[in-house]
Amino acid sequence: EPEVTQTPSHQVTQMGQEVILRCVPISNHLYFYWYRQILGQKVEFLVSFYNNEISEKSEIFDDQFSVERPDGSNFTLKIRSTKLEDSAMYFCATRSEETQYFGPGTRLLVL
Amino acid sequence: GEDVEQSLFLSVREGDSSVINCTYTDSSSTYLYWYKQEPGAGLQLLTYIFSNMDMKQDQRLTVLLNKKDKHLSLRIADTQTGDSAIYFCAEKKGGKLIFGQGTELSVKP
Repeated sequence: EPEVTQTPSHQVTQMGQEVILRCVPISNHLYFYWYRQILGQKVEFLVSFYNNEISEKSEIFDDQFSVERPDGSNFTLKIRSTKLEDSAMYFCATRSEETQYFGPGTRLLVL
Repeated sequence: GEDVEQSLFLSVREGDSSVINCTYTDSSSTYLYWYKQEPGAGLQLLTYIFSNMDMKQDQRLTVLLNKKDKHLSLRIADTQTGDSAIYFCAEKKGGKLIFGQGTELSVKP
């Protein structure tokens, strides 16, 4: 069964550094999402992406964040200058009809 | 608001039924979902229900929807130790999902 994959599974970075989280969507899905889960808290929506454009973003998704699909396969989330509070599990999801399928997540730790 | 609420913990004995409850806020939500998260893993879609349905059954899983009270429940029949996980309900709002805080199900042998 096709799956959403994400790399890396874990990333440790210093505050102020840039990180890029990668996702490979299920091949025929057209809608892509990023969510995050701070330890012990709810899964929160960050951004949705369709037809090479952001279709919706949350207030969390400020100018430090960006998304792109540079090569038609990978879907990336970039955090330009990480802060301590960016430490979280980041989930990519892709949608088929009414169902979103989630990847295994990238655990980001900002020191 | 955008609050989806769940109780945090549920403990059952193996073989019993588990019922996990959820309340949501948006009466216009068209789809409601249940996801399962095992330790260190991602979110696995268990089942979903369209808002014009009251009930959906899928093997050991039964979803009940009370649209008037904005209440969703997930019943797991014959709960097994492998069902121990965190269960999230979510409502679809626009294109995004709004999640509850998750219910940690503990199944004791």
